[in-house]
Amino acid sequence: EVQLVESGGGLVQPGGSLRLYCEASGFTFSDHWMSWVRQAPGKGLEWVVNIKEDGSEKNYVDSVKGRFTISRDNAKSSLFLQMNSLRAEDTAVYFCAGAPNPNYLDYWGQGTLVTVSS
Amino acid sequence: EIVLTQSPATLSLSPGERATLSCRASHSVSSHLAWYQQKFGHAPRLLIYGASTRLPGIPARFSGSGSGTDFTLTISSLEPDDFAVYYCQQRMNWPRTFGQGTKVEIK
Repeated sequence: EVQLVESGGGLVQPGGSLRLYCEASGFTFSDHWMSWVRQAPGKGLEWVVNIKEDGSEKNYVDSVKGRFTISRDNAKSSLFLQMNSLRAEDTAVYFCAGAPNPNYLDYWGQGTLVTVSS
Repeated sequence: EIVLTQSPATLSLSPGERATLSCRASHSVSSHLAWYQQKFGHAPRLLIYGASTRLPGIPARFSGSGSGTDFTLTISSLEPDDFAVYYCQQRMNWPRTFGQGTKVEIK
């Protein structure tokens, strides 16, 4: 059974940092593109960033470029999102998601809530 | 950035009725479009990709059609489990974008 389990969310002040984690199991992690997708409270979905199987390619949405960094550890089947200079508009549930290609999102975690507020 | 516009925002129907959801792209995405279902408090689930290809395990009552800029998700006969929010998503270019969603609610 495919499982993606996110952690690391919480309350942080504007300008602060947070690191999200995603542990994967039930599929060959190193053969999959991985992504972070966020959903602000009561709003739609936003694909924030993805990373190629070997980490050699990363694509960020403009609103997080220079502030967020995605990385992965294939040996530990883990995905990370380092979020710096956080803003109120970054408040959202962050989903870890994966697929065998960079096009769609086959597998999803349950999400972790990030709240940016003073 | 390709903008996807879904309509209607809300669809109020009864079980057994047919649901027709629309997704319109600001630029052609060829057939590079997917549909997801999201129930409240849960992660989205991929239903259809390539505009019309159902994932294994997705019931045949779900069908997708369209190409270019106009797409449709049809649920032929609504089951109680189908009442949810549906999103379209394009993979034509980066950033990948989603529509704002259509909520299918019980009338």
